[in-house]
Amino acid sequence: QSVLTQPPSVSGTPGQRVTISCSGRNSNIGSNTVNWYQQLPGTAPKLLIYSNNQRPSGVPDRFSGSKSGTSASLAISGLQSEDEADYYCATWDVSLNAYVFGGGTKATVL
Amino acid sequence: QVHLKESVPGLVKPSETLSLTCTVSGGSVSSGSYYWSWLRQAPGKGLEWIGHIRDSGSTNYRPSLKSRVTISIDTSKNQFSLNLTSMTTADTAVFYCARGLWGAYYYYMDVWGKGTTVTVSS
Repeated sequence: QSVLTQPPSVSGTPGQRVTISCSGRNSNIGSNTVNWYQQLPGTAPKLLIYSNNQRPSGVPDRFSGSKSGTSASLAISGLQSEDEADYYCATWDVSLNAYVFGGGTKATVL
Repeated sequence: QVHLKESVPGLVKPSETLSLTCTVSGGSVSSGSYYWSWLRQAPGKGLEWIGHIRDSGSTNYRPSLKSRVTISIDTSKNQFSLNLTSMTTADTAVFYCARGLWGAYYYYMDVWGKGTTVTVSS
């Protein structure tokens, strides 16, 4: 059971906009910024969004993040086939004194 | 460009201790800005943070693993290491090392190694 809650899967057709939710508590999302990682099949995770809504250099602007209260979300606009991957939200939990992840969401392009 | 590379542990038997090393190139583990981290991912499962260390040697560990984990740093070799004792089959996973950045209200890993597969089997 993950500390942060994500839907197991999302899907969309090419060009569509999809969103992935991430729900937590005051001790984690409510207290710190949220990050998102993308894991393509068979590869290491890659930082996709940090500090709620910041994109590292090289990440396309069709990826965006937001946070409100104890929830966060990742949006993918203009879905492309290469976006098929697992997506994880993560943040620091001040009660656990540990970095915690969501269970991951598998994004499928139909 | 900073790169991280995990060592290859070979086969680990139940009850043994796992020892992994992460070699950092293109940057220094002595930079005070970073937290050098270990994470793992069991087959078909999600990501799990194990712990991290700063160049000062200060550490934080996942509470559920705290009794079994030691992370150390060797600034002379530009490496940091993970020891995980009393291994069981439940510890079978891909282990990743990563560089973390910590500040007021933020903490994230911006550079990851490619991962190393650890199988626990007799």
